[in-house]
Amino acid sequence: KQEVTQIPAALSVPEGENLVLNCSFTDSAIYNLQWFRQDPGKGLTSLLLIQSSQREQTSGRLNASLDKSSGRSTLYIAASQPGDSATYLCAVGPINAGNMLTFGGGTRLMVKP
Amino acid sequence: DAGVIQSPRHEVTEMGQEVTLRCKPISGHNSLFWYRQTMMRGLELLIYFNNNVPIDDSGMPEDRFSAKMPNASFSTLKIQPSEPRDSAVYFCASSPGHANTEAFFGQGTRLTVV
Repeated sequence: KQEVTQIPAALSVPEGENLVLNCSFTDSAIYNLQWFRQDPGKGLTSLLLIQSSQREQTSGRLNASLDKSSGRSTLYIAASQPGDSATYLCAVGPINAGNMLTFGGGTRLMVKP
Repeated sequence: DAGVIQSPRHEVTEMGQEVTLRCKPISGHNSLFWYRQTMMRGLELLIYFNNNVPIDDSGMPEDRFSAKMPNASFSTLKIQPSEPRDSAVYFCASSPGHANTEAFFGQGTRLTVV
């Protein structure tokens, strides 16, 4: 059974810092990996999707990498802003059904002005 | 497109009552998912439909839970009878259903069973 772990569970940084969120998964037979953002009381917003054949994806100040062999992904946020404060969730999809996602517990990020 | 639309946004009901949650996926999406989010267990997949057919319901907690997708634009998740431990946020998500495509989530229904 796939297990997804995110470290740290919570992170507080001053505005402007570059930061890295970590995600690890136990079964490397994945189809894709997605990073989501969740604001309090809201739904999930997809940030980046990495296909199993890819190593990274970039969108603006966000960069996500994927290392299937080691079962790890990182989300890099450059020049963090208070508006980046949210919970970031990592999710993996299995080989046979890429969007049947297994989620990590999330990293709650606070960026202080 | 307005995105995935869920209703109601909030539901408070008494234990033993029937609860029906509704979802309208993004037009043209062939896959639909129901997830549940709790503090203790995080986000868990309950059931997955493809082309209106249930493909995997292994995440449905017990027989009190049932889901239907009568057509491509509507799905329901029903709990009968409801129990306090069913209190959670229930999310519906859809995707085009093709390989390597993103999942798009609704705003969720916050269910409280008292």
